[in-house]
This record gives sequence, structure tokens and C-alpha cells, in this order.
Amino acid sequence: QKEVEQNSGPLSVPEGAIASLNCTYSDRGSQSFFWYRQYSGKSPELIMFIYSNGDKEDGRFTAQLNKASQYVSLLIRDSQPSDSATYLCAVNEREYGNKLVFGAGTILRVKS
Amino acid sequence: EAGVTQFPSHSVIEKGQTVTLRCDPISGHDNLYWYRRVMGKEIKFLLHFVKESKQDESGMPNNRFLAERTGGTYSTLKVQPAELEDSGVYFCASSHHSSVISANTGELFFGEGSRLTVL
Repeated sequence: QKEVEQNSGPLSVPEGAIASLNCTYSDRGSQSFFWYRQYSGKSPELIMFIYSNGDKEDGRFTAQLNKASQYVSLLIRDSQPSDSATYLCAVNEREYGNKLVFGAGTILRVKS
Repeated sequence: EAGVTQFPSHSVIEKGQTVTLRCDPISGHDNLYWYRRVMGKEIKFLLHFVKESKQDESGMPNNRFLAERTGGTYSTLKVQPAELEDSGVYFCASSHHSSVISANTGELFFGEGSRLTVL
């Protein structure tokens, strides 16, 4: 079993719709959770991080964390073609040091 | 403010040769990380420097890989001798804080990566 699992996609949504990206992780003691966006050939860029159960909103993005279910998700409202990218879920299994465990990423395509 | 810069962006070498990758972190960032993504796989942690000290090198695959950060500024990652399975993209990242939760920040800044192709 992979430590961090994501559906590879591609996930296709129409412009203006809500895109829902999901991630599960295996280490129950994981401390913090991250969503990165990566355009082809570019560096991963942090979108959201969360470390408490519940929802965290930032603009069009909402991260949701459920530690009991070992599940973290990212919702993108009013999806735009510019949101088309690979979204990487990453988990930090400790409080100290950014030793992140990444999922393989979900490709999102927003169609205009 | 300049971001994390990596050099070279792409390197093609033959099996058995040596390659050195360089990373310049964001100025003032004590924490520097190396990650890599081999073909079709996830990005995986290699090691973590705090200033010039190796804090965690548990992800280094074997002794053909040597990372240094003399003076606590830029870092180099040498692969000697390179093997076919070393091909992939090597990412460097830096951060100001070591603890995400206490600092209430998740900010780990990545470079664009150095693509290594071993033939």
C-alpha cells in the first residue's frame, strides 16, 4: 500500500464547476497536510496546508481534513482553465522538518 | 526576491559518469531539502540540511549520492558513478522554519528541478 494515494486522473471539469481532489494516507500519526500545484516542467507550488480536522478556506480553495478517516481533500470552486495542472498531495509525518511524503498527483483539466 | 534556483536544468550523461547538481536556496533560509522524482513515481525525500548540517539523510538511496552544503548557503548533490535508475528530476526546496505547526506555515519553496538523464 502506498503511503499517500491519489487518483491519477485526469479529472475533467467544465469551467466554473467545482473540482474535488482527494487523497488518503496511511500513517495515522501524520501531522500536517499539503496541496501543491505543478504545471508541466515547473516547480511544485504550495496551494494550501492544513493540520487540524475540518475545513480551511483560502479564496477559491478549500482544504478538508479528516484524521479519523485518514483523508484530505481539496475543493476548487469556480474552476478556471488556468487551474489545469497536476495537484500533489503531501503529508508530513512529523512536526519537525519538512520531510514530505508525496502522492503521485492528480491531473486536473478544466475545459472552457 | 529570487526563488530557489537549480543548475543545470537538464543534464545528460552516460552510465558510470559523475554529475553534480547545484541548488541555491532562498536567501536566509536555513532549511534546505533535496527531493527527486524518478520516472512514473512519486516525489521522494532525499535529505534535509539545517544550515551546513545534515539533519536527516534517511532518503538517500545509496553511497553513490553525496550531498554537501559547505558554509550553509548553496548545496550540491553529486552522483558518482551514475546508474540508469538515477534518471529523474531532482528538486531542491528551502524553508525558513523547520516546524510547520509551531510556525503556522507550510511554506516549502521548490526550485524547478534538475532533470538528469543517464544513458
